[in-house]
Amino acid sequence: GAVVSQHPSWVICKSGTSVKIECRSLDFQATTMFWYRQFPKQSLMLMATSNEGSKATYEQGVEKDKFLINHASLTLSTLTVTSAHPEDSSFYICSASSGGTNYGYTFGSGTRLTVV
Amino acid sequence: QQQVKQSPQSLIVQKGGISIINCAYENTAFDYFPWYQQFPGKGPALLIAIRPDVSEKKEGRFTISFNKSAKQFSLHIMDSQPGDSATYFCAASRSGGGADGLTFGKGTHLIIQP
Repeated sequence: GAVVSQHPSWVICKSGTSVKIECRSLDFQATTMFWYRQFPKQSLMLMATSNEGSKATYEQGVEKDKFLINHASLTLSTLTVTSAHPEDSSFYICSASSGGTNYGYTFGSGTRLTVV
Repeated sequence: QQQVKQSPQSLIVQKGGISIINCAYENTAFDYFPWYQQFPGKGPALLIAIRPDVSEKKEGRFTISFNKSAKQFSLHIMDSQPGDSATYFCAASRSGGGADGLTFGKGTHLIIQP
């Protein structure tokens, strides 16, 4: 089946630094990739949608200059949290879709970001 | 505005019993309704999904019931097992083909007691 690999699985960084999270589709071409954020004991909230070679579309309230998304190929999308602050600490999860008639979204295993 | 409302927030079921989780949506443009299972520290895993052209879909112990007129759908887990203890999320999207992201319910923490 479709597999999405997300790295790192956890990261601790100092306040003010930037962190990059990678999301790769291993066995299919991801037409569209999505980034979600999940706070403890809460639901997943869509942050942004990206299509290969295009600028990402951000959900209302998500700072595009803080959460930089790059979708340079059909198998790789990256999320960079710039100038991270403790309130950015969260569980970040990517998801990929191959589009077409095969409905479905494949999720990565998530990245636990802790900003100290 | 919460577009997908999920209940209950938590649920305790005896082993072998039926677990039932309900969701209601508001956006009539939604056309894809999946259920996800999530364990702590892991990404969500797809359990089963349905489109609005059918009223029920069954896969193993998992069944989705869908009521388009009421804008409601539910997950039934038959013969619930302790290994089913997890958080379950319903979700919906406007594009089953995957062009749009998913809107998730708030989740149900399910505990199956042995």
